[in-house]
Amino acid sequence: NAGVTQTPKFRILKIGQSMTLQCTQDMNHNYMYWYRQDPGMGLKLIYYSVGAGITDKGEVPNGYNVSRSTTEDFPLRLELAAPSQTSVYFCASKGGLAGGSLGELFFGEGSRLTVL
Amino acid sequence: GEDVEQSLFLSVREGDSSVINCTYTDSSSTYLYWYKQEPGAGLQLLTYIFSNMDMKQDQRLTVLLNKKDKHLSLRIADTQTGDSAIYFCAESIYGGSQGNLIFGKGTKLSVKP
Repeated sequence: NAGVTQTPKFRILKIGQSMTLQCTQDMNHNYMYWYRQDPGMGLKLIYYSVGAGITDKGEVPNGYNVSRSTTEDFPLRLELAAPSQTSVYFCASKGGLAGGSLGELFFGEGSRLTVL
Repeated sequence: GEDVEQSLFLSVREGDSSVINCTYTDSSSTYLYWYKQEPGAGLQLLTYIFSNMDMKQDQRLTVLLNKKDKHLSLRIADTQTGDSAIYFCAESIYGGSQGNLIFGKGTKLSVKP
């Protein structure tokens, strides 16, 4: 059971380049999230999705876009990368509370992005 | 709005007990969680407590919940160097559109031999 898989693990971008961080989960979870983690700042929610075809902005959505065409995949797109987007990005998924689930988040291993 | 507060750093000696504290704001939270993040890795659920409980013990871990003060703590007995990590407190926000968890900024636990 792979859980939540993110690629790439590391990437260096030049200012103005674009890229997509991939995220896939095999737990049939409806909820998926993208967070960024900066030192001493905890996790900030970028975008989230409550199911295929439905996405919404989180706390820090500027400079990012997402799509959710399938239950499994939730890619995060960076357009016109800026140094302020240097961060570690985490994808997470969550099921509902039915069936004894705790409703906890399952995280990927993270993608470390540097914009120079 | 919702906010989860925790201290940023804690340093202990190997073998001592560690206590990480957290305050939260949403009294309707169903579950409260502790996540552990080891260096270079994602967050993993360490333990949790249901909101109608006061205490939960799981081997070396003890979670205490004071609903009146909205205070959550994680005690690690006989702390080992392998416990060095960042610990995040999180509360569940249900009833909102996100179905999200609200995280604290994380407490970095350093265990000195």
